Amino acid sequence: KQEVTQIPAALSVPEGENLVLNCSFTDSAIYNLQWFRQDPGKGLTSLLLIQSSQREQTSGRLNASLDKSSGRSTLYIAASQPGDSATYLCALNSGGYQKVTFGTGTKLQVIP
Amino acid sequence: EAGVAQSPRYKIIEKRQSVAFWCNPISGHATLYWYQQILGQGPKLLIQFQNNGVVDDSQLPKDRFSAERLKGVDSTLKIQPAKLEDSAVYLCASSPPTSGRTDTQYFGPGTRLTVL
Repeated sequence: KQEVTQIPAALSVPEGENLVLNCSFTDSAIYNLQWFRQDPGKGLTSLLLIQSSQREQTSGRLNASLDKSSGRSTLYIAASQPGDSATYLCALNSGGYQKVTFGTGTKLQVIP
Repeated sequence: EAGVAQSPRYKIIEKRQSVAFWCNPISGHATLYWYQQILGQGPKLLIQFQNNGVVDDSQLPKDRFSAERLKGVDSTLKIQPAKLEDSAVYLCASSPPTSGRTDTQYFGPGTRLTVL
């Protein structure tokens, strides 16, 4: 059974700082890994999707990496802004028919 | 392109009552998911449909929860009877047809259920 852990559970940083969010998983037999953002009272928005064969993906100030051998993924946010404040969730797609397992999330607060 | 629609957005019921949630996925999306997200936790998959067939309902409490996907499009999730621990946000998501299991899921805004 896939288990996904995200540490820290909460993070507070000053505006402009670069930061890294961590995601660990127990089963490396995955099809892909996604990072989502969740704003209070809203659904999830996909940020980046890394295929099993890829090592990293970039979108603007975001960079996500995947290391299946160590069971880890990181989400790097450069030059953080108050608008980045949200909960960030990683999700592993494994098993048949896109079985997805979510982590518990990291709540990020960027202080102006 | 219209997103995933869910209704109602909020629902308050008393324990032992019944409740139903509705989801309309993005047009053409073959796969539909229902997740339960308890406060402070990540979403937990309850049931996954491929067209109108169930492909995974291993975490659905079948003694009280049921779901159907009408004609492979809209879906309803029902709880009967509700318990206090069912208080959560119920998220619906959909993804397009794929052969590589690599597609992004698109989420609706969720329905926040409070059971008193």
